[in-house]
Amino acid sequence: DAKTTQPTSMDCAEGRAANLPCNHSTISGNEYVYWYRQIHSQGPQYIIHGLKNNETNEMASLIITEDRKSSTLILPHATLRDTAVYYCIVRVREETSGSRLTFGEGTQLTVNP
Amino acid sequence: GAVVSQHPSRVICKSGTSVKIECRSLDFQATTMFWYRQFPKKSLMLMATSNEGSKATYEQGVEKDKFLINHASLTLSTLTVTSAHPEDSSFYICSARNLRQGAYEQYFGPGTRLTVT
Repeated sequence: DAKTTQPTSMDCAEGRAANLPCNHSTISGNEYVYWYRQIHSQGPQYIIHGLKNNETNEMASLIITEDRKSSTLILPHATLRDTAVYYCIVRVREETSGSRLTFGEGTQLTVNP
Repeated sequence: GAVVSQHPSRVICKSGTSVKIECRSLDFQATTMFWYRQFPKKSLMLMATSNEGSKATYEQGVEKDKFLINHASLTLSTLTVTSAHPEDSSFYICSARNLRQGAYEQYFGPGTRLTVT
């Protein structure tokens, strides 16, 4: 699976949009971009994933550049409960024995009042 | 949604004893389950991949005789830490792949905090 690069930490004001960047310049054509987050002392929570089109769900939006070498996770109106470590992961999306999520260091997002 | 539970949430055991952690997929069948461990302020590290009815595949550096994994059914996997030592103290998290959603997404349990004294 391709390697990703994320900033170590970011701050955001409550109520504002949080934009979390991720670089994945070596991504392959069949690899998807996944985002998970982990609130302190809990298991990771799935947020969103995409291949090349922008995606939106009830939690967030995912913007993927046309060359697919980077992406941005957008939390449109951050709340204090969005404070967590956010992981950007690229992986092949298929049922193979080697297909599983490998976590990097992620971005610690702190939402401030 | 896809819910994964773990039991216990916290466990304290004495050095030299064994402890079992259960991971269950509550509302879906999971042919594949994964076990991760996480040390304080560190990222998740994959320990092993478990397929129902088969032997687990362990990541490099993970001792299979120390971390016994059983995946006897489509909804239950267990991790047994044998002869635990203080350095095994960690946050253990399981994950299951959801067949109904095309087996692509992994959903995670809440984790088990193991402390070995």
